[in-house]
Amino acid sequence: DTGVSQDPRHKITKRGQNVTFRCDPISEHNRLYWYRQTLGQGPEFLTYFQNEAQLEKSRLLSDRFSAERPKGSFSTLEIQRTEQGDSAMYLCASSLRTQADQPQHFGDGTRLSIL
Amino acid sequence: GENVEQHPSTLSVQEGDSAVIKCTYSDSASNYFPWYKQELGKRPQLIIDIRSNVGEKKDQRIAVTLNKTAKHFSLHITETQPEDSAVYFCAANQRPAGTASKLTFGTGTRLQVTL
Repeated sequence: DTGVSQDPRHKITKRGQNVTFRCDPISEHNRLYWYRQTLGQGPEFLTYFQNEAQLEKSRLLSDRFSAERPKGSFSTLEIQRTEQGDSAMYLCASSLRTQADQPQHFGDGTRLSIL
Repeated sequence: GENVEQHPSTLSVQEGDSAVIKCTYSDSASNYFPWYKQELGKRPQLIIDIRSNVGEKKDQRIAVTLNKTAKHFSLHITETQPEDSAVYFCAANQRPAGTASKLTFGTGTRLQVTL
């Protein structure tokens, strides 16, 4: 069990550019979540996958944001035409699907800074 | 949707003393309540969780209590040590019918354990 890994750890880009982040969940976990965390706040839910299906998206997720999990393993989160307000830590988490909620395990996150 | 409030926002205790962090939630359908510890620049780490079918759970120096009627739950850390210094987040699941659950987090408590 190598844990949830995210890449890159840091991303600095100019406003208006597109960025893409990657998340590799714990291998046997079929649920994958994306959260966003700003300074001094708790993580906020963005979207969720079960296997390759994206089952829920937050209203926080504007149409500039898109997430995929094409083969039910790793996931990517893309932000198009980045804005200053997109600066945040983007966290990925994974868990097992059972009848009862199972613990979500987080990665180290990707810190996005928009110049 | 779910709303989670957390108090206090900062807490300073002397080494060896106990620390208590309190959270309230709004959605009576929530049935899973995890607590995460986040050190500066690191991932949120699950330290303990509780389900709605029990009122208390303990793991060494950490315990969590849940009052479903009042819709509040608390984290208790006894015999605090300097390495307990971190930001602690409570969370509650939100499971609308027909969808997978997601976590709603509190705003965090910065715990400082002084020598």
